[in-house]
Amino acid sequence: AQSVSQHNHHVILSEAASLELGCNYSYGGTVNLFWYVQYPGQHLQLLLKYFSGDPLVKGIKGFEAEFIKSKFSFNLRKPSVQWSDTAEYFCAVNADNQGGKLIFGQGTELSVKP
Amino acid sequence: GAGVSQSPSNKVTEKGKDVELRCDPISGHTALYWYRQSLGQGLEFLIYFQGNSAPDKSGLPSDRFSAERTGGSVSTLTIQRTQQEDSAVYLCASSLRQGREKLFFGSGTQLSVL
Repeated sequence: AQSVSQHNHHVILSEAASLELGCNYSYGGTVNLFWYVQYPGQHLQLLLKYFSGDPLVKGIKGFEAEFIKSKFSFNLRKPSVQWSDTAEYFCAVNADNQGGKLIFGQGTELSVKP
Repeated sequence: GAGVSQSPSNKVTEKGKDVELRCDPISGHTALYWYRQSLGQGLEFLIYFQGNSAPDKSGLPSDRFSAERTGGSVSTLTIQRTQQEDSAVYLCASSLRQGREKLFFGSGTQLSVL
């Protein structure tokens, strides 16, 4: 069965620092990849997604993610974080043989210090 | 409605009682998902409905858990003989179609089993 691993459980950064959150999945076939974010007190919302084409995808609020097929990875990056990026970030994978089933990772809590 | 609506927002119950959690998806969305969110556990997939197809129940943790979706719209998640380990936030999400579409999440039901 497919699974998703997010290696960092809690990341603490100062404003303007660069961010990279790891995400690895276990499935050898075609995948659709997502990052979702949950700001404090808010619903989960989509940050960005990858289906095909350019493996470097850009999302909202200056976030980007790179799909590296050989590493089964889809890491999230942002060059300079802001205090408002404090949130929990979830990586999610949909495998082509699983219909619409979307599996999420454990989440990474990001705390940005002003 | 404007978004995914879940009720109740909070439910406190005694161990051994049955509970029903309700989800009203966005009108026109054919796919509906239930997830469980516990501290440190991320989002655990429970069940997924797509149109009139048989649901994917592969994430239900035990036979005490069941869900149905009536008329392709409202869904009810039922937990029988609740246990303390069932305490969590139960999230519902819907999307236009399965696979590549983004999920719209509700605000969840916080279930506390005493």
